[in-house]
Amino acid sequence: GQSLEQPSEVTAVEGAIVQINCTYQTSGFYGLSWYQQHDGGAPTFLSYNALDGLEETGRFSSFLSRSDSYGYLLLQELQMKDSASYFCAVPHQAGTALIFGKGTTLSVSS
Amino acid sequence: DGGITQSPKYLFRKEGQNVTLSCEQNLNHDAMYWYRQDPGQGLRLIYYSQIVNDFQKGDIAEGYSVSREKKESFPLTVTSAQKNPTAFYLCASSPRTSGGFNEQFFGPGTRLTVL
Repeated sequence: GQSLEQPSEVTAVEGAIVQINCTYQTSGFYGLSWYQQHDGGAPTFLSYNALDGLEETGRFSSFLSRSDSYGYLLLQELQMKDSASYFCAVPHQAGTALIFGKGTTLSVSS
Repeated sequence: DGGITQSPKYLFRKEGQNVTLSCEQNLNHDAMYWYRQDPGQGLRLIYYSQIVNDFQKGDIAEGYSVSREKKESFPLTVTSAQKNPTAFYLCASSPRTSGGFNEQFFGPGTRLTVL
């Protein structure tokens, strides 16, 4: 089957850097995505990695190591508005639907 | 404005009643999805559709049914067979119908409470 593991909670202060890890088990690999969800809101896409290495998008970066079945989301210069849940996800059975991890709740304090 | 709409935002039903959740998109996307989210949990896939008049079961399809008669619409019916239907239901769509990078766009969700 397919499964993803990520920490349930992470806390940090404004201006800091935080890393959210994700390990996955899939029968085939078709990319790792990251989504952000504010409390009660809709998830929004952040980043996608299909190949090993780092993808940078502003303050957010995402890393992938296919040999380790591991990725992480790196958030820099944290702001209060970054307090949210972050989900890693992989394609469901090589299709277009997604299988999500249980999410990591990030709390940013001042 | 293009986007995905779900209605209603909050829905209350009595146990044993079927209820249909609406999902409409005007993004011209081929694929649409339904996910269920419980407190402290990730999103779990209920059903998805990659083309009109066709849909596939996800990981937790039991007690749910869907239809895809129009490209823009993908309603979800929560039947009385669903043992624990109280949850936050999210609809999404995406432009692609094959694997690889495929950003999903989510609606605002419907919070269903069964009393």
